[in-house]
Amino acid sequence: ETGVTQSPTHLIKTRGQQVTLRCSSQSGHNTVSWYQQALGQGPQFIFQYYREEENGRGNFPPRFSGLQFPNYSSELNVNALELDDSALYLCASSYSANTEAFFGQGTRLTVV
Amino acid sequence: AQSVSQHNHHVILSEAASLELGCNYSYGGTVNLFWYVQYPGQHLQLLLKYFSGDPLVKGIKGFEAEFIKSKFSFNLRKPSVQWSDTAEYFCAVIPPRGGYNKLIFGAGTRLAVHP
Repeated sequence: ETGVTQSPTHLIKTRGQQVTLRCSSQSGHNTVSWYQQALGQGPQFIFQYYREEENGRGNFPPRFSGLQFPNYSSELNVNALELDDSALYLCASSYSANTEAFFGQGTRLTVV
Repeated sequence: AQSVSQHNHHVILSEAASLELGCNYSYGGTVNLFWYVQYPGQHLQLLLKYFSGDPLVKGIKGFEAEFIKSKFSFNLRKPSVQWSDTAEYFCAVIPPRGGYNKLIFGAGTRLAVHP
């Protein structure tokens, strides 16, 4: 166990809807990164939060947004869901922005 | 485009066979290198990492990797695999001047070990 927990584990949404995924980071970790892992591919970096501020973003549209809370837990929000958003969404926490990341088990999102 | 390439998408081995999984990256400058493993139904786990120093890195469960800067490679090896090594293996890089823990992953290699 990494101490990084994600909820829910599985989710089915309809195209056009909005979704919120949640992540609790490992104790003592102030940095949370989110990744999207499509079927048959490696994880792709969405964005990172460090001490409640966005600290870097990958090549994802603005309808992917996030938050980090004072306890360093985090949310990933996706608006106007598209079929291609179906993927495993991974959260990773780390002690700082440049140290080893520990991954949660992910949320499997299916958009129909 | 700058990327991380894993040459083998699927590898099938018998127990006790030797393993080498290839990983090449296309970033110049100083990079941090990682191998992660994902066992069926489990989260991504770090096998080993290279930041600096000895280019031969020892990881958990008998795995090792060698950083060859001139070849932009970081291949994963294990002398004798076990059935329990069946998993998907991902090479990942933090590119230079990343400024944050942005891991760039390869597409993964799915390893199946038969008894």
